[in-house]
Amino acid sequence: DAGITQSPRHKVTETGTPVTLRCHQTENHRYMYWYRQDPGHGLRLIHYSYGVKDTDKGEVSDGYSVSRSKTEDFLLTLESATSSQTSVYFCANLDRYTGELFFGEGSRLTVL
Amino acid sequence: AQRVTQPEKLLSVFKGAPVELKCNYSYSGSPELFWYVQYSRQRLQLLLRHISRESIKGFTADLNKGETSFHLKKPFAQEEDSAMYYCALISSGSARQLTFGSGTQLTVLP
Repeated sequence: DAGITQSPRHKVTETGTPVTLRCHQTENHRYMYWYRQDPGHGLRLIHYSYGVKDTDKGEVSDGYSVSRSKTEDFLLTLESATSSQTSVYFCANLDRYTGELFFGEGSRLTVL
Repeated sequence: AQRVTQPEKLLSVFKGAPVELKCNYSYSGSPELFWYVQYSRQRLQLLLRHISRESIKGFTADLNKGETSFHLKKPFAQEEDSAMYYCALISSGSARQLTFGSGTQLTVLP
């Protein structure tokens, strides 16, 4: 599983509150990704990082920001959570040479 | 822009029947294609990749550049194959952009 863990695994919060999800890798992979998984939409890319302090937007980045201050950690922040952000969030890192993604176990976020 | 399409959201087959999960893509360069699987309550994991041309758990997938397809096939489905399947494409440049299809939920009935 390329040593990738997410925290928290479950969170319930209220509309308007800030939320930060953490993704931690024990490997030294340069590329890391945040996806959300929703019924009928599959996996959609929120943001990704191609190195420390290098990040870029995915297809559903509105309402989300990310930070990568060190190789091991990739943080996803919802500045002001909305009910539409209720979802399961997956972090992944990429073995650039094989193209294989390794996923975390997911973080289930409920925004009331 | 690269795009991956999985036309079937849900697919049900009986145990022992053949199964084919469809995947079509659009990409201007030379694609690298993958199938990922997510079993119930587990993390997503790689099932197979086109460049290795391997068979995993009886599944195979052939890249058809003419039809821009990468369909996943298994001649005899098993109940333990029930899962969500995602087709994915990664760009060949240095940016390594990944795009997933919307997924197909496969149910193998007894």
